[in-house]
Amino acid sequence: DAMVIQNPRYQVTQFGKPVTLSCSQTLNHNVMYWYQQKSSQAPKLLFHYYDKDFNNEADTPDNFQSRRPNTSFCFLDIRSPGLGDAAMYLCATSPGSQTETQYFGPGTRLLVL
Amino acid sequence: GENVEQHPSTLSVQEGDSAVIKCTYSDSASNYFPWYKQELGKGPQLIIDIRSNVGEKKDQRIAVTLNKTAKHFSLHITETQPEDSAVYFCAASTGFNKFYFGSGTKLNVKP
Repeated sequence: DAMVIQNPRYQVTQFGKPVTLSCSQTLNHNVMYWYQQKSSQAPKLLFHYYDKDFNNEADTPDNFQSRRPNTSFCFLDIRSPGLGDAAMYLCATSPGSQTETQYFGPGTRLLVL
Repeated sequence: GENVEQHPSTLSVQEGDSAVIKCTYSDSASNYFPWYKQELGKGPQLIIDIRSNVGEKKDQRIAVTLNKTAKHFSLHITETQPEDSAVYFCAASTGFNKFYFGSGTKLNVKP
């Protein structure tokens, strides 16, 4: 019954070593989002895809990139992780029309050593 | 852009009591207001939502009210149980796949 799946659940990387987080969905939703959530804070939107259209938030660092090869999968690439990038990364989906519900995955906890 | 403020940041209640969390928003164009529950180490889970054409919505022990004139909406949990303990986030959306989150309320239900 899993709808939004994130792998891995925990990821340890080294300072400056590229890392990729993955998200898949079984809902066939048009929109996929990536959020960064630091401890005791609200989720912060990094970017989202509407189908193949990429929408970057103005304050998302260039260090963060994303790919969506098909409807089901979306990847978050962190090109050169810094200590400040340690956080929970949440993937979410929504059907795509205005004012629609978001469904979140369980998140990937990233640790940068 | 939209600004969502959420209060209180922490809330401690006795089991069986009610809990109320309040959010205000700034953009009168916002028309969709979801509430999420996030347990430790997990992603947020939608618990209830309300659209701008409705003033109140209820689902068992959970209810949400919306006052469009005052631009605020509230989450009400009645007969709280220890398993209600979590962080709760409100959010507002003006559509176009943009969601603005409040800063979260940590609810502690004491047995």
